[in-house]
Amino acid sequence: KQEVTQIPAALSVPEGENLVLNCSFTDSAIYNLQWFRQDPGKGLTSLLLIQSSQREQTSGRLNASLDKSSGRSTLYIAASQPGDSATYLCAVRPDLGSNYKLTFGKGTLLTVNP
Amino acid sequence: NAGVTQTPKFRVLKTGQSMTLLCAQDMNHEYMYWYRQDPGMGLRLIHYSVGEGTTAKGEVPDGYNVSRLKKQNFLLGLESAAPSQTSVYFCASSYLKYNEQFFGPGTRLTVL
Repeated sequence: KQEVTQIPAALSVPEGENLVLNCSFTDSAIYNLQWFRQDPGKGLTSLLLIQSSQREQTSGRLNASLDKSSGRSTLYIAASQPGDSATYLCAVRPDLGSNYKLTFGKGTLLTVNP
Repeated sequence: NAGVTQTPKFRVLKTGQSMTLLCAQDMNHEYMYWYRQDPGMGLRLIHYSVGEGTTAKGEVPDGYNVSRLKKQNFLLGLESAAPSQTSVYFCASSYLKYNEQFFGPGTRLTVL
């Protein structure tokens, strides 16, 4: 059974700092991995989708990397801002036929202090 | 485009009552999903649909039913609500099964 772990569970940093959020998964047979952001009381906003054949994906100040063989992904946020404060979730999609199930981690709660 | 919308945003039910949650998407996506999010449990898939007229069970389907009569709508029903169904429910959609999933804003349901 796929398990997704995100460490740390919570992170507090001063504004302007570069930071890395970690995601690990137990079964390396994945098709892709998706990073989401969730603001309090809101839905999930997709940030980046990285295919299993890719090593990294970039969008603005965000960079996601994937090491499928070791079961790890990182989300790098450059020059963090208070508006980046949210919970960040990663989710993996299995590389198995008709299995549509995304397995989510429990998230990292990020607080960026002005 | 509105993306994925959900109604209602909040609801309080008494045990045994029934209700339907509506999800709508205007992106012409084939695949739609219902998740629930609980503290300490993360997001779990309840049911999903791979196209109009189809539905399938996810990870935690018991106590829920779904219908996809129109491509743009995916309904989640609770026939006899239980306190264990107190949760935040999210609908999502994707163009194909391996594409990015887009989520709605959620419905916060409390069952007393």
